[in-house]
Amino acid sequence: DSGVTQTPKHLITATGQRVTLRCSPRSGDLSVYWYQQSLDQGLQFLIHYYNGEERAKGNILERFSAQQFPDLHSELNLSSLELGDSALYFCASSVGLAGGPRARGTQYFGPGTRLTVL
Amino acid sequence: GDSVTQMEGPVTLSEEAFLTINCTYTATGYPSLFWYVQYPGEGLQLLLKATKADDKGSNKGFEATYRKETTSFHLEKGSVQVSDSAVYFCALSDPDGGTASKLTFGTGTRLQVTL
Repeated sequence: DSGVTQTPKHLITATGQRVTLRCSPRSGDLSVYWYQQSLDQGLQFLIHYYNGEERAKGNILERFSAQQFPDLHSELNLSSLELGDSALYFCASSVGLAGGPRARGTQYFGPGTRLTVL
Repeated sequence: GDSVTQMEGPVTLSEEAFLTINCTYTATGYPSLFWYVQYPGEGLQLLLKATKADDKGSNKGFEATYRKETTSFHLEKGSVQVSDSAVYFCALSDPDGGTASKLTFGTGTRLQVTL
């Protein structure tokens, strides 16, 4: 158990709908990252938040958005869903921007949310 | 930009065989290197890591050495078990490359171990 929690575990919805995925980082971690895992694209970085602020964006569609709340949990919002958005969505957390010399970039992953768009 | 290249799978081995999964990387800075494992139907688990050149990461009988001169981080295990069957991902993070220390992943290598 990594200490990172994600809900829900599975989500089935229809095209055009909007969903929210939730992530709680490990206790004490300030950074939250979101990744998408799909068969054709592999594991892709979406977005990074540190202590409530957006720090970096990757291959995140404009239909997707995220935020990190004062209690450090994060939500990923996916709207106007398309069939191609079906994937596993992971969040990961780390101590901080770099985490010090021993952590140095180490991220711990949650179990993921499997999204199926029908 | 940063990239990770892993050997293509699937890799099929008999139990107690020696395992090597090759991984090479391209990075502009001094990255940290990781191996993550994904068991069927589960999330990503950190298997081992190395944060500087010549470091050796090890866990559960798996080892990998950070080779800066060959930009490699090959995963090895002396004797695999059926329970090691999973997908293995090599990844790098460049925490000194600004505030975004995202992970860049390889495509993953599926390992199947048979009795």
